[in-house]
Amino acid sequence: GAVVSQHPSWVICKSGTSVKIECRSLDFQATTMFWYRQFPKQSLMLMATSNEGSKATYEQGVEKDKFLINHASLTLSTLTVTSAHPEDSSFYICSARSWADQPQHFGDGTRLSIL
Amino acid sequence: SQQGEEDPQALSIQEGENATMNCSYKTSINNLQWYRQNSGRGLVHLILIRSNEREKHSGRLRVTLDTSKKSSSLLITASRAADTASYFCATDAFGNEKLTFGTGTRLTIIP
Repeated sequence: GAVVSQHPSWVICKSGTSVKIECRSLDFQATTMFWYRQFPKQSLMLMATSNEGSKATYEQGVEKDKFLINHASLTLSTLTVTSAHPEDSSFYICSARSWADQPQHFGDGTRLSIL
Repeated sequence: SQQGEEDPQALSIQEGENATMNCSYKTSINNLQWYRQNSGRGLVHLILIRSNEREKHSGRLRVTLDTSKKSSSLLITASRAADTASYFCATDAFGNEKLTFGTGTRLTIIP
């Protein structure tokens, strides 16, 4: 149980393109989903926390207009990287949790490469 | 800065040996969790230990927590090649749902 699916697993696109990443909890309802960014050989950095039906809470230094997060249902959250540039290239990982005090379960990540 | 610092940063051992990784954190916590990440993949949840617990087991995994020293250890017994991965500790505080990850330990099991 507790499976989180993230799609796509990798994407390569031109600078200026907007890219949408989906995160789905397949066998549980996720009241909270989290989006992380990970640089090579480094740890995960939290970008934002999203609760179903409300606006996401962004971490300091994360541009809200650059990284649009939608959590419209209890099983789906999306991250849209708008007008992506090469510096946005990274590994993006989502996680989902059913309720407080439960472990976060992670997707397999999306490798984003902007040319 | 990162909440957790992990030690060692990298560890290579022979298959069959035990592997121990340590995690230190700075502020009071509610829970501490350990995750595994295979190269280029997402994180797999291994074990959660609550602040009022001192030790927890799951299969070949043993986790200890010492809140007085603000530290935790993960022991993997009888290591296998498939255990090769990066291991992260992550903490959350009371009333704060966010996880803060440690710097990670890259474990290599030599067949």
